Amino acid sequence: QKEVEQNSGPLSVPEGAIASLNCTYSDRVSQSFFWYRQYSGKSPELIMSIYSNGDKEDGRFTAQLNKASQYVSLLIRDSQPSDSATYLCAVNGNAGNMLTFGGGTRLMVKP
Amino acid sequence: DTEVTQTPKHLVMGMTNKKSLKCEQHMGHRAMYWYKQKAKKPPELMFVYSYEKLSINESVPSRFSPECPNSSLLNLHLHALQPEDSALYLCASSQVGGEAEAFFGQGTRLTVV
Repeated sequence: QKEVEQNSGPLSVPEGAIASLNCTYSDRVSQSFFWYRQYSGKSPELIMSIYSNGDKEDGRFTAQLNKASQYVSLLIRDSQPSDSATYLCAVNGNAGNMLTFGGGTRLMVKP
Repeated sequence: DTEVTQTPKHLVMGMTNKKSLKCEQHMGHRAMYWYKQKAKKPPELMFVYSYEKLSINESVPSRFSPECPNSSLLNLHLHALQPEDSALYLCASSQVGGEAEAFFGQGTRLTVV
């Protein structure tokens, strides 16, 4: 059973729209949650981290965490074609320093 | 500075060769990682070093041998690899601790022929 689940997509949104990416995790004692962006052929780039329930905003990005529902999401406002990439949800469990990645969601932003 | 540097960027090796991948960071991080990523798949953890000691080995075959000579360097020694080992090998580093953010290098694209 996968520990971190994401819809593989592709998720297609028009330019300027809000893209909503979702992630669920199975380990209730998970402590920290991260979103990485990965362009094709490149390495993952950290874009958001969140540790407590609620919302965390950084520019056009908002991460949302609900530990009771074991759910993390990433909202991208005013989506741009340059946001087209695979978004990886990663969870650090109770053991610490052991990131587990979801399968990633491919986002396509159409001009 | 959030830079993790990996060399080489590309590597082609035969199944009888011995080669090494190198990773360097100067962020003062004391945890370093090797991940393997196949096409259209997420990164898979291979090894974790904490304070220069191997803390996690995810049942990786012995043809992959990690080494952490000091707090800034991480190597992955390769020997007798198989074509199915061809992948993007990613190094990452972070502070030690569950809330630490991990930063990735640009990766080494390995092809085994």
